[in-house]
Amino acid sequence: AQKITQTQPGMFVQEKEAVTLDCTYDTSDQSYGLFWYKQPSSGEMIFLIYQGSYDEQNATEGRYSLNFQKARKSANLVISASQLGDSAMYFCAMVREDSNYQLIWGAGTKLIIKP
Amino acid sequence: DGGITQSPKYLFRKEGQNVTLSCEQNLNHDAMYWYRQDPGQGLRLIYYSQIVNDFQKGDIAEGYSVSREKKESFPLTVTSAQKNPTAFYLCASSNTAGGLETQYFGPGTRLLVL
Repeated sequence: AQKITQTQPGMFVQEKEAVTLDCTYDTSDQSYGLFWYKQPSSGEMIFLIYQGSYDEQNATEGRYSLNFQKARKSANLVISASQLGDSAMYFCAMVREDSNYQLIWGAGTKLIIKP
Repeated sequence: DGGITQSPKYLFRKEGQNVTLSCEQNLNHDAMYWYRQDPGQGLRLIYYSQIVNDFQKGDIAEGYSVSREKKESFPLTVTSAQKNPTAFYLCASSNTAGGLETQYFGPGTRLLVL
């Protein structure tokens, strides 16, 4: 069955360090998309980055990059030079196999940046 | 500014009462979605709509109802049949109802039962 797994329920990272948030997925689709979202304590879900399964390059958006390893079925989010404002929940999601309109979500990782 | 608005931010429901959560978008997106989030969990899809006057059930539609009379509006009603409605509700929209389109979210409504 299609599934997203985020194995780190919580992480503490020192400010200005890089941080990697893990995401592994399971799907039988050949074509799929993976998303990362950030959810601050205010609750709003903020889109960060997208990776398509056929994209040869790893996606990057400013300080965010996605370490996409297709053979290992992993799509880890890397945040460079972490800032206090990066403290939030981070969710990995992918498009559902039986519907191009729906996302399935991981349980999230709570990231806390220490000053 | 384009975006998605949800109201109210907090909503209180009494036993046996129906309540309606508002979601409006001015992004000209075709597709809209309602998700429920429980503490410490990811999102679960309640309903989604690909075009006006059409919508489909998600994974947890029981006890909820929606309408899509206008492209920009997708209200969610939590009915008295929903026995455990306390949760955070997020509305989202995407440009087209198909393919690998990014979903953008509103600020959410927190529903509490009195």
